[in-house]
Amino acid sequence: GEDVEQSLFLSVREGDSSVINCTYTDSSSTYLYWYKQEPGAGLQLLTYIFSNMDMKQDQRLTVLLNKKDKHLSLRIADTQTGDSAIYFCAESMWGTASKLTFGTGTRLQVTL
Amino acid sequence: DTGVSQNPRHKITKRGQNVTFRCDPISEHNRLYWYRQTLGQGPEFLTYFQNEAQLEKSRLLSDRFSAERPKGSFSTLEIQRTEQGDSAMYLCASSFGTTNTGELFFGEGSRLTVL
Repeated sequence: GEDVEQSLFLSVREGDSSVINCTYTDSSSTYLYWYKQEPGAGLQLLTYIFSNMDMKQDQRLTVLLNKKDKHLSLRIADTQTGDSAIYFCAESMWGTASKLTFGTGTRLQVTL
Repeated sequence: DTGVSQNPRHKITKRGQNVTFRCDPISEHNRLYWYRQTLGQGPEFLTYFQNEAQLEKSRLLSDRFSAERPKGSFSTLEIQRTEQGDSAMYLCASSFGTTNTGELFFGEGSRLTVL
């Protein structure tokens, strides 16, 4: 079955790097995603990685995928107060028309 | 730039009443999804449409839930005889065409509180 797990909470100081971790169980996952949810807002896709990739970098965001351990991480460099939000990882499988299975979310708190 | 629009944003109802939520997707998107999110959890898939056809329903979608997308544009999600356990945020998302990259565009959600 599909199961995606995340730690619930992370607190970092402004300017530091944040690393949010996620583990998934379905080895047939094709794409893995990071979504951001700010209070009162919908989910926003931050980035995604195809399962045959190990790393993807996009400006301040770096995604690392360890397929052997089924571990996904999101690193945010130079974390800003505007990065405070809930971050969800999600997975999908080929042929499922983008039906996503989400983790429980990690709340990132950025302190001054 | 018109994103995914949902209404009402908030609905408070008494147990046993029926409620209906509406979703207007991004206009060129042919796929539309409904998810449910309860407090402290990630969104859970409920159902999705490709154009007007409802192609998949989750087992979470009990007989009291029905979703339609009659003309392949907006969609409605109706919950009959609401129960307190139905209290949640109902999220609508849309996407385009044959892409399988999971780039779903979410609305801000409709929050349901059942008293």
